[in-house]
Amino acid sequence: AQSVTQLDSHVSVSEGTPVLLRCNYSSSYSPSLFWYVQHPNKGLQLLLKYTSAATLVKGINGFEAEFKKSETSFHLTKPSAHMSDAAEYFCVVKVAGTYKYIFGTGTRLKVLA
Amino acid sequence: DVKVTQSSRYLVKRTGEKVFLECVQDMDHENMFWYRQDPGLGLRLIYFSYDVKMKEKGDIPEGYSVSREKKERFSLILESASTNQTSMYLCASSFLFRQGGGETQYFGPGTRLLVL
Repeated sequence: AQSVTQLDSHVSVSEGTPVLLRCNYSSSYSPSLFWYVQHPNKGLQLLLKYTSAATLVKGINGFEAEFKKSETSFHLTKPSAHMSDAAEYFCVVKVAGTYKYIFGTGTRLKVLA
Repeated sequence: DVKVTQSSRYLVKRTGEKVFLECVQDMDHENMFWYRQDPGLGLRLIYFSYDVKMKEKGDIPEGYSVSREKKERFSLILESASTNQTSMYLCASSFLFRQGGGETQYFGPGTRLLVL
C-alpha cells in the first residue's frame, strides 16, 4: 500500500538559514511526488513535482527536492529561509494508474526573525 | 494562469440546513476532487469525478453528495449539515492523464464552513 510520512510536524528555522522538510514514501510503482505549500486560510499551491525525470527537482521560490529511490525519500530544501516561507507544507504521492493522491499530514514551518 | 475558484471563502450554516459548495475550473480538466481538511488529519478525499455525471466515493463520503453537470463545475452538497461537518473544504482539479505521469492537482482557495 502507498503511504507518505512527513517526519516532522513542526520545524523552526531562523531567517537566512537552510530549510529541510523531510518526507518518506512507500509506493509499489514508480511514483509521482509533489510538494505543496499552504499559507493560512489559503488553498494549496504547487511547489514542485517529480515524475521520473531528473532526480533533483527545482521548484518555485528557491525550493528544491531530491528523489532518492534507495532511501524512499523526497525531502524539500531551501538554502536560505525567508519570513514569507512560514506556512504548512504537504508531501503528496500519486498512485500510478489511479486518481488517488496520498497526502502527508503536513509540516508547519516557522521562520524566526 | 490556471484557476480553480470556490463560491464562498467563509460560510456559516445551521444544523439541518442543506449546503451547496461550488467549484469551477477553467483548465478543461477531466478530474475534479473535493477534500476536507482538519487539523492533524491532513486532507481527506470526499468525492472524485473523472467526467460529467461521473463520480466516485472517496474515503469519507458519508453525509455528502456531489453533482457534475458540466465539465468545469463540481458541486459538493451537504444534505443536512451537522456540527461535525465544520471544516475547511478544498476543491481541486487535474488532467486525467499526462504522458510521463504526474498529473498535477490545482487547488481552489478553500471554503471554511462553520455549522452551528
